[in-house]
Amino acid sequence: QSALTQPPSASGSPGQSVTISCTGTSSDVGGYDYVSWYQQHPGKAPKLMIYDVSKRPSGVPDRFSGSKSGNTASLTVSGLQAEDEADYYCSSYAGSTYVFGTGTKVTVL
Amino acid sequence: EVQLLESGGGLVQPGGSLRLSCAASGFTFSSYSMHWVRQAPGKGLEWVSVISPDGGLTYYADSVKGRFTISRDYSKKTLYLEMNSLRADDTAVYYCAKGQLGTVTTPWGQGTLVTVSS
Repeated sequence: QSALTQPPSASGSPGQSVTISCTGTSSDVGGYDYVSWYQQHPGKAPKLMIYDVSKRPSGVPDRFSGSKSGNTASLTVSGLQAEDEADYYCSSYAGSTYVFGTGTKVTVL
Repeated sequence: EVQLLESGGGLVQPGGSLRLSCAASGFTFSSYSMHWVRQAPGKGLEWVSVISPDGGLTYYADSVKGRFTISRDYSKKTLYLEMNSLRADDTAVYYCAKGQLGTVTTPWGQGTLVTVSS
């Protein structure tokens, strides 16, 4: 049950795109199409942004998209906006248990 | 509207015990798995435990296995986390969450802070 690996930070200017990776193993990310992404602003509870690798819950802008290749999942935020500045965490089902990523701080320059 | 309200946190000495509660409303409690997730101060998210809709299956993170017990009361629509042999590294805000097919869904509650310190 090791945490999924994410880059500590990512950044982009308003209007640009940023992509965050999430690397696991064949026992979690690579083994199931159950990868989720969460956005967390300071002092707030996380918010689900992507589930089942690439599905968006109702109300999440289509600027947010997810994908997966092998043991690595990715979240892309297109058309960066100031309010996208937050911490982002991936998560994966791992066959009965679950595992979160190490987290990535996204900065809008 | 899904609402989850955690309670029961507080200051406890190392080796002590605590029981967290999570009151659920806005959905059919008996139809969904339920999770506990925690976040140590200034740190990332850590999945803790899940219980199946019927309560018959429970799973734990290695870090809490044998010390924590998850349970649920359908009449009270409440999720519990019994925590024993608490350690300093259990200090965190604990959130409960509704589960759905491989996903820990949101919204979560405001969380309840557990501090393990002498």
